[in-house]
Amino acid sequence: QSALTQPRSVSGSPGQSVTISCTETSSDVGGYNYVSWYQQHPGKAPKLMIYDVTKRPSGVPDRFSGSKSGNTASLTISGLQAEDEADYYCCSYAGTYAWVFGGGTKLTVL
Amino acid sequence: QVQLQESGPGLVKPSQTLSLTCTVSGGSLSTGRYYWSWIRQYPGKGLEWIGYIYYTGSTYYNPSLTGRVAISVDTSKNQFSLNLSSVTAADTAVYFCARCAVGATWYFDFWGQGTLVTVSS
Repeated sequence: QSALTQPRSVSGSPGQSVTISCTETSSDVGGYNYVSWYQQHPGKAPKLMIYDVTKRPSGVPDRFSGSKSGNTASLTISGLQAEDEADYYCCSYAGTYAWVFGGGTKLTVL
Repeated sequence: QVQLQESGPGLVKPSQTLSLTCTVSGGSLSTGRYYWSWIRQYPGKGLEWIGYIYYTGSTYYNPSLTGRVAISVDTSKNQFSLNLSSVTAADTAVYFCARCAVGATWYFDFWGQGTLVTVSS
């Protein structure tokens, strides 16, 4: 059972914004700001979209943004596009050099 | 651009040892700013961090796998490897190798394409 809880699915229409939440459910994880988000298309490897809660790697559109409030991190995708349809995973440093992933959220672009 | 490529058997019998190798190209595994990681994805899609290794040989493992997992590095070949012993059907997954940036910031920035390993007799 993951220590990071994500909604199983979210959806939105092209041009709209969607937010995916990632809630820390274990005290082992809590408090670290090394939260990253990954996009995964079917049959492909995960791709880094956000790191350190809010930072965007070079090449990732600025439509993708990250935030954190309390024990919940969020990924917001604005101006939804068809190619954004994918699975999204949050990931957090859990201390003692260990890592934990969320269960994943399927984003459907209607 | 760094590239990672997993290799190894796609079918392993129960109770045997799963062995995979990750070959790194486009950069040196000996660069001190990274840990070299194994991550798996179950058929139901969840991701699980298995462990990682520094080029010096220091290793860190998921506590749930301690005792069954070993990661090693061969800097001369720019490769690192995963051994997972006493496998069961529950170890069936796609196995990814990935680079973990460390220091002031931590994240998995480059991933291999993944390799499916099925545990079955």
